[in-house]
Amino acid sequence: DIQLTQSPSFLSASVGDRVTITCRASQGVNKFFAWYQHKPGKAPKVLIYDASTLQSGVPSRFSGSGSGADYTLTITSLQPEDFATYYCQQLNTYPFTFGGGTKVEVK
Amino acid sequence: EAQLVESGGGLVHPDGSLTLSCVASGFNFETYGMHWVRQAPGKGLEHLSGISSPGTSASYADSVKGRFTISRDNSKKMVYLHMASLRTDDTGVYFCAAKYFRAFDYWGQGTLVTVSS
Repeated sequence: DIQLTQSPSFLSASVGDRVTITCRASQGVNKFFAWYQHKPGKAPKVLIYDASTLQSGVPSRFSGSGSGADYTLTITSLQPEDFATYYCQQLNTYPFTFGGGTKVEVK
Repeated sequence: EAQLVESGGGLVHPDGSLTLSCVASGFNFETYGMHWVRQAPGKGLEHLSGISSPGTSASYADSVKGRFTISRDNSKKMVYLHMASLRTDDTGVYFCAAKYFRAFDYWGQGTLVTVSS
């Protein structure tokens, strides 16, 4: 299985901050890479797919980049509704493994 | 609006069996691959299994291979996960998810499975 190492695991930030989350795969995944937002008791929500394509309806403050084995999610100006846990996922090889998650908390 | 609703979770003894169901609405179910994802208590997401849109092929993570079986009924817009030989480390919230192209586009809110004696 492809392992995804996501960092940091926890992040304390304030409204308006720029937030960056990284994910490194154990091998290249050809940009078949997605980012999700998950709030407790809710369904996870896809933010980015194909490494950098913004899902319809997702605010433009979210962006993704990367290639090969290294990928990044950036939130340019954190909003109150963005406090949540974020997961990366590779969809290149079964099983479509997830990173360990990054919990973004209020500073 | 697209929606997935899971059901069938509950308390089961080790070595027991349970079948989870997931009903879809608001999108063209028969064109989506369907998947099950688990979140153990305090842990991250784990992709367990997926089935192709016509239901002709299925894949499993090693952790559940030989114990879990995924199936679907496109006429009912349903996907199932039959779980057997359950272990305590199978405890968690189980989500169904729909994949059309390059991501899990739609997710349910999950159903809790607790494996305990």
